[in-house]
Amino acid sequence: SAVISQKPSRDICQRGTSLTIQCQVDSQVTMMFWYRQQPGQSLTLIATANQGSEATYESGFVIDKFPISRPNLTFSTLTVSNMSPEDSSIYLCSVPRGGLATDTQYFGPGTRLTVL
Amino acid sequence: AQSVTQLGSHVSVSEGALVLLRCNYSSSVPPYLFWYVQYPNQGLQLLLKYTTGATLVKGINGFEAEFKKSETSFHLTKPSAHMSDAAEYFCAVSPRGNTDKLIFGTGTRLQVFP
Repeated sequence: SAVISQKPSRDICQRGTSLTIQCQVDSQVTMMFWYRQQPGQSLTLIATANQGSEATYESGFVIDKFPISRPNLTFSTLTVSNMSPEDSSIYLCSVPRGGLATDTQYFGPGTRLTVL
Repeated sequence: AQSVTQLGSHVSVSEGALVLLRCNYSSSVPPYLFWYVQYPNQGLQLLLKYTTGATLVKGINGFEAEFKKSETSFHLTKPSAHMSDAAEYFCAVSPRGNTDKLIFGTGTRLQVFP
């Protein structure tokens, strides 16, 4: 398994501000993933954070709104920019472990964001 | 495109009763299949996964799931529910050869009554 920590665990923010969420993994990983879980809904992949290159965003998500940094193989940040109440969600990072044939995603504890 | 359908957003059982949470997938080839559990105010925890080999997969906390290719299903079961099983359960798939991306179902909230 993987030990994944996220900061902050929760936050309440004002509309129009930005919040940067940190994800730290206990060992080096090639890819890190950022998901969003809106209230009462399932998880949706926002983007894949690759070390040494630009993040790859899924349909419906753009870099200007969700800039991602990946400075090394154990750390990534996701910024939620110019927030609105619709951004209130749980944001989770995840990493794959186990080798090519049996990769398993392990998830961080999540960051619960409320935008007023 | 792949998709996951979880039938029943809420399932209620009595303590000691059988738990059955349904998951069907849509894919041109059998994907890798996962069940995750999310306890209140916590992150996701892997229950079990199927990648290849034996189609009946055993996971943690007494849960198991069976991959049925003919039915494109991966239902989660537990013979006897415990109060501590109350949580949100998510079925997920990832395409073979691209095991990093996960596509989640909408989740099933399990309630267990004494």
